[in-house]
Amino acid sequence: GQNIDQPTEMTATEGAIVQINCTYQTSGFNGLFWYQQHAGEAPTFLSYNVLDGLEEKGRFSSFLSRSKGYSYLLLKELQMKDSASYLCAVRLPGAGSYQLTFGKGTKLSVIP
Amino acid sequence: DGGITQSPKYLFRKEGQNVTLSCEQNLNHDAMYWYRQDPGQGLRLIYYSQIVNDFQKGDIAEGYSVSREKKESFPLTVTSAQKNPTAFYLCASRENTGELFFGEGSRLTVL
Repeated sequence: GQNIDQPTEMTATEGAIVQINCTYQTSGFNGLFWYQQHAGEAPTFLSYNVLDGLEEKGRFSSFLSRSKGYSYLLLKELQMKDSASYLCAVRLPGAGSYQLTFGKGTKLSVIP
Repeated sequence: DGGITQSPKYLFRKEGQNVTLSCEQNLNHDAMYWYRQDPGQGLRLIYYSQIVNDFQKGDIAEGYSVSREKKESFPLTVTSAQKNPTAFYLCASRENTGELFFGEGSRLTVL
């Protein structure tokens, strides 16, 4: 089966930096996505990593190590609006299905 | 504006009733997906469709049915055979890069 692990909850202070980790053991790998989801709303795309290394996009960065089955999402200069769940998802190869398998999400609370 | 529209946003159903959730997209995407989200759980794939008139079961298809008669539309029917249908349902369509675009979701509650 596919296994994607993320911490369930995290708390961080406004203005600080937080790192959300994601480890995966899957039958194949074709890229890793991070999505942000505010309570009761649709997930929105944050980043996509297919090669090892760091992808930076404004206050958000995402890192991937395929050999370690590991990724993290780094959020800098935290704002209250960053309080949300962060979903890690692995894209599986094969037969044109392009399925995404999601982790359970990490609920981030940003406090003043 | 291009996007995905799900309706209704909230739906209440009595036990034993079938209910259909609507999903329409104007992004011209071929592939569409239905996910279910429960508290403390990740998104779980119910059904997906790569192209019109074709669809495949996901990980938790039992008690659900879909159709894909038009590229823009991918409705999901939650049948009375679904044992625990109360959940948040998300429809998505996929770009060629693999990125999913999600609708706003439909929250179904069985009374």
